[in-house]
Amino acid sequence: GNSVTQMEGPVTLSEEAFLTINCTYTATGYPSLFWYVQYPGEGLQLLLKATKADDKGSNKGFEATYRKETTSFHLEKGSVQVSDSAVYFCALRDRTGTASKLTFGTGTRLQVTL
Amino acid sequence: NAGVMQNPRHLVRRRGQEARLRCSPMKGHSHVYWYRQLPEEGLKFMVYLQKENIIDESGMPKERFSAEFPKEGPSILRIQQVVRGDSAAYFCASSPGSFGGEAFFGQGTRLTVV
Repeated sequence: GNSVTQMEGPVTLSEEAFLTINCTYTATGYPSLFWYVQYPGEGLQLLLKATKADDKGSNKGFEATYRKETTSFHLEKGSVQVSDSAVYFCALRDRTGTASKLTFGTGTRLQVTL
Repeated sequence: NAGVMQNPRHLVRRRGQEARLRCSPMKGHSHVYWYRQLPEEGLKFMVYLQKENIIDESGMPKERFSAEFPKEGPSILRIQQVVRGDSAAYFCASSPGSFGGEAFFGQGTRLTVV
């Protein structure tokens, strides 16, 4: 079956530091990959996505590249802000089936301090 | 175009009562997913529905929990005879049905069982 593994948190960084949150996946098919962000007390928001190998998703300074050879989709940002403090979820959805659910990682909490 | 609407946002029930959680998907979306999030934990898949059909209920507890997505009206997640362990945030997501596409999440319903 499909699964997503994320690095454990919490990740604590100073403002303007470089961020990497690792994500690897296992899928029976050829999935689309996503990063979602959850701010305190809110639902999940789609941050970025990639649908095929070597695609780079980007949004709000965050980037992730779909690496089929390493089955990875690591999230990066060059300079984090306090407002980026949230929980980040990596997810996949199989593209080979006609009906499939999103499979999430356990989430990584990011705390950015001044 | 309104987003995914969940109601109520907060729900308090006494042990043994029934909880009904509602989810109206985005306009044009025919696929609905329900997830449960326990405090400080990740998202656990519960059930995946299309209009009038349950596609995947592999994450639903065998007893007390049920879900439906009728031809008309919102999707309903029903929990009978609630227990304290049911206290969690329940999130609904919808997608247009194209495989591999992203899902959009509601703000969640926070259920507290007292």
